[in-house]
Amino acid sequence: GEEVAQTPKHLVRGEGQKAKLYCAPIKGHSYVFWYQQVLKNEFKFLISFQNENVFDETGMPKERFSAKCLPNSPCSLEIQATKLEDSAVYFCASSQAGTGKNIQYFGAGTRLSVL
Amino acid sequence: AQKVTQAQTEISVVEKEDVTLDCVYETRDTTYYLFWYKQPPSGELVFLIRRNSFDEQNEISGRYSWNFQKSTSSFNFTITASQVVDSAVYFCALSEITTSGTYKYIFGTGTRLKVLA
Repeated sequence: GEEVAQTPKHLVRGEGQKAKLYCAPIKGHSYVFWYQQVLKNEFKFLISFQNENVFDETGMPKERFSAKCLPNSPCSLEIQATKLEDSAVYFCASSQAGTGKNIQYFGAGTRLSVL
Repeated sequence: AQKVTQAQTEISVVEKEDVTLDCVYETRDTTYYLFWYKQPPSGELVFLIRRNSFDEQNEISGRYSWNFQKSTSSFNFTITASQVVDSAVYFCALSEITTSGTYKYIFGTGTRLKVLA
């Protein structure tokens, strides 16, 4: 499609439950990025993909977070055993290429509330 | 370390006033890219502009203009004759290129602009 599509818009989970978020990048874009926006508007980079390959995972809390981008499927970000501090808006972005000059186009975000 | 600072947390102006949002960055790179995004109340992030480090020409797009000054590591954003629809949080971002050749954005903490009718 012509925009980054993120689903669901809102997700509510009890502490300890699993959460799975989805992202369909813009058609023709090879790179996908996940960011977490927490209170006070801080953005934290989580992970990026080049097609189905991990491009950079230096921001991922590896114990409970995992992500995939499989061919012909939306990318996904999964949080096992959610904690209160995982409450945030998770943004997905896509870009055409993987150099620093490339513009990242963002989806509308998924708001995760962990109760 | 790469860093983006938006010192203004919130600005309120009356419609038709001009307003400037500040962005100061730190980078070790000689070639780098800066971006501005708008986050309206609906929550999405809307791309506004990209600027590379070797082009110091100011840019104007309608009521929006950007002033890039390498000497002061600043990339400020001015809205002329502000409108209520400009009310949003505005983020400045720097593209960080890692030693392994990947890249990601470093965001400032945003400036909330309220334009009052």
